[in-house]
Amino acid sequence: EIVLTQSPGTLSLSPGDRATLSCRASQSVSNNYFAWYQQIPGQPPRLLIYGASNRATGIPDRFGGSGSGTDFTLTITRLEPEDFAVYYCQQYASSLPTFGQGTKVEIK
Amino acid sequence: QVQLQQWGAGLLKPSETLSLTCAVEDDSFSGYFWTWIRQPPGKGLEWIGEINHLGSANYNPSLKSRVTLFVDKSKKHLSLNLTSMTAADTALYYCARGPGYDHVWGTYRPLDHWGQGILVTVSS
Repeated sequence: EIVLTQSPGTLSLSPGDRATLSCRASQSVSNNYFAWYQQIPGQPPRLLIYGASNRATGIPDRFGGSGSGTDFTLTITRLEPEDFAVYYCQQYASSLPTFGQGTKVEIK
Repeated sequence: QVQLQQWGAGLLKPSETLSLTCAVEDDSFSGYFWTWIRQPPGKGLEWIGEINHLGSANYNPSLKSRVTLFVDKSKKHLSLNLTSMTAADTALYYCARGPGYDHVWGTYRPLDHWGQGILVTVSS
């Protein structure tokens, strides 16, 4: 099983700030089958990034994904009020897809 | 427009079997795997398994002995059965579309549409 560890657990920022979220895999994620999701309380997760760096349909360009191998990053260039949420990373390269434990982006 | 609508019993007693259904509106139903995910209250996401339109399924090894996924491709209905429920199975259960092949980027796209989720509580 590929274990994903997200850091930090909580990020306290203000609207307009830049957010950098990290996810480290316990082994290399092949083909960059790696994704990021946003979850707002009371809603299902929403796909933001797949293939490590491709934005999903309708996702604003302030969201960007990068990385390969075992280290991946989600960057939100300028936080909007609706971006304060929990973010999960996921690898879907193995026969058992796994998620990170989540990073909460909260208003400072 | 892709839509997933879920229903099923939300309150079970220990040892009972969970049965959930997910109705899919998607012209590309046969082009995807369809995945079940669960999320205990206040916690993270756990992959339960996936199934395609032919009924080929893959399961999380930790649940494999208790879970079965079904598909009725004529109705575009997905179903999940989870036996021997315990309090540890209390969670929000989601169905989701994916993975599927993205011809634009030449890669696989994971879970891009989700059902609304069903809260399942196991309590005596």
